[in-house]
Amino acid sequence: GAGVSQSPSNKVTEKGKDVELRCDPISGHTALYWYRQSLGQGLEFLIYFQGNSAPDKSGLPSDRFSAERTGGSVSTLTIQRTQQEDSAVYLCASSSRGEDTQYFGPGTRLTVL
Amino acid sequence: AQSVTQPDIHITVSEGASLELRCNYSYGATPYLFWYVQSPGQGLQLLLKYFSGDTLVQGIKGFEAEFKRSQSSFNLRKPSVHWSDAAEYFCAVVPYSSASKIIFGSGTRLSIRP
Repeated sequence: GAGVSQSPSNKVTEKGKDVELRCDPISGHTALYWYRQSLGQGLEFLIYFQGNSAPDKSGLPSDRFSAERTGGSVSTLTIQRTQQEDSAVYLCASSSRGEDTQYFGPGTRLTVL
Repeated sequence: AQSVTQPDIHITVSEGASLELRCNYSYGATPYLFWYVQSPGQGLQLLLKYFSGDTLVQGIKGFEAEFKRSQSSFNLRKPSVHWSDAAEYFCAVVPYSSASKIIFGSGTRLSIRP
């Protein structure tokens, strides 16, 4: 039974570079979420996809952040021109239609030098 | 403002002692309520959830939580803690009006004294 998977598990990058973080949700789950966990801000919602509906981007902190979900499954979170304050653990979660329980992946730890 | 409050940043209890972690929420209607646990280097694991019905819910690992509408609280309890319970615990809500993003509390770090 596969859970939510994320890759890479760790990413170290230099300030100003772009990074892509990947999330594979649980098979059959229609909803996918991205969160960020950082020391100063706790756990913050970033973006939410539900089926073919327009995503809820209300949590994205700046226009350097974007995400897409291809084919209703895999999602990629892209951070352009990374800054040191982007250093955090990025968590992905998924849930099935009509269920409000979200299941989390192990996260990607991003370090911006 | 809508919020989830976990007033205790860090709690230390002795192994075998009872535990209660506090959580209060501030929403107009009763939201969906959750407790998650995060062990060092691990992802978030769902302990239990409350949507409706019986206000005392049972979860995994011997945890339970009680929803009290009058106090807007959803405290987590365990009668006897084990050293393996040392972790960070997050109370969370999904507002009924927006069954999408989770709003997390700031977390309570639990340490176990041998």
